[in-house]
Amino acid sequence: QQQVKQSPQSLIVQKGGISIINCAYENTAFDYFPWYQQFPGKGPALLIAIRPDVSEKKEGRFTISFNKSAKQFSLHIMDSQPGDSATYFCAASNRGGATNKLIFGTGTLLAVQP
Amino acid sequence: GAVVSQHPSRVICKSGTSVKIECRSLDFQATTMFWYRQFPKQSLMLMATSNEGSKATYEQGVEKDKFLINHASLTLSTLTVTSAHPEDSSFYICSAREGTGFSNQPQHFGDGTRLSIL
Repeated sequence: QQQVKQSPQSLIVQKGGISIINCAYENTAFDYFPWYQQFPGKGPALLIAIRPDVSEKKEGRFTISFNKSAKQFSLHIMDSQPGDSATYFCAASNRGGATNKLIFGTGTLLAVQP
Repeated sequence: GAVVSQHPSRVICKSGTSVKIECRSLDFQATTMFWYRQFPKQSLMLMATSNEGSKATYEQGVEKDKFLINHASLTLSTLTVTSAHPEDSSFYICSAREGTGFSNQPQHFGDGTRLSIL
């Protein structure tokens, strides 16, 4: 119940295209859903996050769509660029919980071809 | 803002030695820091939650005597891998959550330490 399932495992997109990564969770106590971007040899960097009281959040080319009833959320990268090539992790946490720790998805390796 | 510095970035040492990794929050205070381990092409695995001034909470399966965590101040946590062996080789990443006491702020990650045990 603590798992966060992420798909696809890898994704190849042409420059200018839309990259879509999906995540699903089981624990209804989760109330914070961030996305992290990680480049090789670096730590993850917070990209964008959403709480379950909204269905969509947009920051620049990055949008999170959230479906509370389906317990799913997704990251959309519009106008994908080669510089977006990285590994993306979704995560979830229960911010009111005792430890408030992040549960990470398995990651998606995105390659944007020029 | 919200910068987390991790040192060293890379360490290579012989089997049997102990290695200390530092995690510092440079521009904010953090009651809570986290230590993760990441194998190649895999996700982050939480090892332990570090709270300033108290004992760390270890995840199931993580040996507390093997991975010693100290969080002596609101800006510094250390992870010591004791008597390291080749199977301890990995990418270790720390994160820090902004705020003192109970906080809902996001976690900010360091750039990781690549540990290689020969």
